[in-house]
Amino acid sequence: DTGVSQDPRHKITKRGQNVTFRCDPISEHNRLYWYRQTLGQGPEFLTYFQNEAQLEKSRLLSDRFSAERPKGSFSTLEIQRTEQGDSAMYLCASRPGTSADTQYFGPGTRLTVL
Amino acid sequence: DAKTTQPPSMDCAEGRAANLPCNHSTISGNEYVYWYRQIHSQGPQYIIHGLKNNETNEMASLIITEDRKSSTLILPHATLRDTAVYYCIVRVVDNAGNMLTFGGGTRLMVKP
Repeated sequence: DTGVSQDPRHKITKRGQNVTFRCDPISEHNRLYWYRQTLGQGPEFLTYFQNEAQLEKSRLLSDRFSAERPKGSFSTLEIQRTEQGDSAMYLCASRPGTSADTQYFGPGTRLTVL
Repeated sequence: DAKTTQPPSMDCAEGRAANLPCNHSTISGNEYVYWYRQIHSQGPQYIIHGLKNNETNEMASLIITEDRKSSTLILPHATLRDTAVYYCIVRVVDNAGNMLTFGGGTRLMVKP
């Protein structure tokens, strides 16, 4: 399968715990995006990487959230001291570097904070 | 990016064409119209995009009005697997971030 993959697909954690999600983009896609989607809403942009550089962050990305893409390939999204309001689907997308290219999404990681 | 308006839900009979409208009356000349869909519990899936001309691919057709203020996504022969939320997104295509701004979308229910 050459699509975007995310791991884990589901995560249940207790409030206050830290969680980390991984995204593997399509090979050679140098742009990578993280989105969050709560129940009944469309996805909302969180942050964006071009290669290893994090170029943009949404105001939704509080200080408890951190994302990395150390070698310009896979990316991780960490949430520290989780809160119940963090419960959502976390989606990763990637695209090639040319401007007209579309984004391809992974299956998402569903986080439930108890 | 320009704002879009879509009906919250639509029904379609299996085998019939599904016509999903989108209003984007404030669209700028350099903004494209993109359509994605999201099947339950999956990530959004790209369908089609266009600037001015009508477009067709193996999944759907996109009809953009001459003034570009609205568009229609057409699924020519809807199947039960087309049941999903369909998002119409308008955005500039350039070398910036190009992050997508999703609205509420249209929940399409294809019925047998």
